Amino acid sequence: TQLLEQSPQFLSIQEGENLTVYCNSSSVFSSLQWYRQEPGEGPVLLVTVVTGGEVKKLKRLTFQFGDARKDSSLHITAAQPGDTGLYLCAGESFNKFYFGSGTKLNVKP
Amino acid sequence: DAGITQSPRHKVTETGTPVTLRCHQTENHRYMYWYRQDPGHGLRLIHYSYGVKDTDKGEVSDGYSVSRSKTEDFLLTLESATSSQTSVYFCAISEAGVRDGYGYTFGSGTRLTVV
Repeated sequence: TQLLEQSPQFLSIQEGENLTVYCNSSSVFSSLQWYRQEPGEGPVLLVTVVTGGEVKKLKRLTFQFGDARKDSSLHITAAQPGDTGLYLCAGESFNKFYFGSGTKLNVKP
Repeated sequence: DAGITQSPRHKVTETGTPVTLRCHQTENHRYMYWYRQDPGHGLRLIHYSYGVKDTDKGEVSDGYSVSRSKTEDFLLTLESATSSQTSVYFCAISEAGVRDGYGYTFGSGTRLTVV
């Protein structure tokens, strides 16, 4: 059982659609990070959120940290094929760092 | 980004042989980490280093050892490779501890197959 549960595991959508992926836990996290990983490469850090309720935007990507700091979401507006990849959330809870198992996103042209 | 490089990128080895993977960074970051990534398990921490000659175990350290004799290099050794160690191995660096909210910069990975 992962401390960080991500949903959905897989998502296949058409270009131009909107989507949201979730990262949930029963534990409180001091901060949460989101990474994107493309095939054959290492994960790349997209954003870090540290304050409950915090919202950060990165172009068409919107990241939110839950008020209780137990969950986070990533919303993508008007998805493009270049958004295809594995999205990982990660964070520190009680002095240990955890990764979720990821959401694999495929955006079809 | 050439700040962190892993070598080799691919390796096939036989069961029972020792294998060493190398991670080299040019960022002068204090923290370095070795992870393995497997389907169904995600990224799992093997060992990490918080300075030259300062290392500690992660959650899946059995069968692995590490060394860091210079700030820029972090070596991962599989003492006697087993098929269960077939995986993709990632090195990561961090300016400060991830507990302080600093993110990782990952290398491109080493795909290791033990036959």
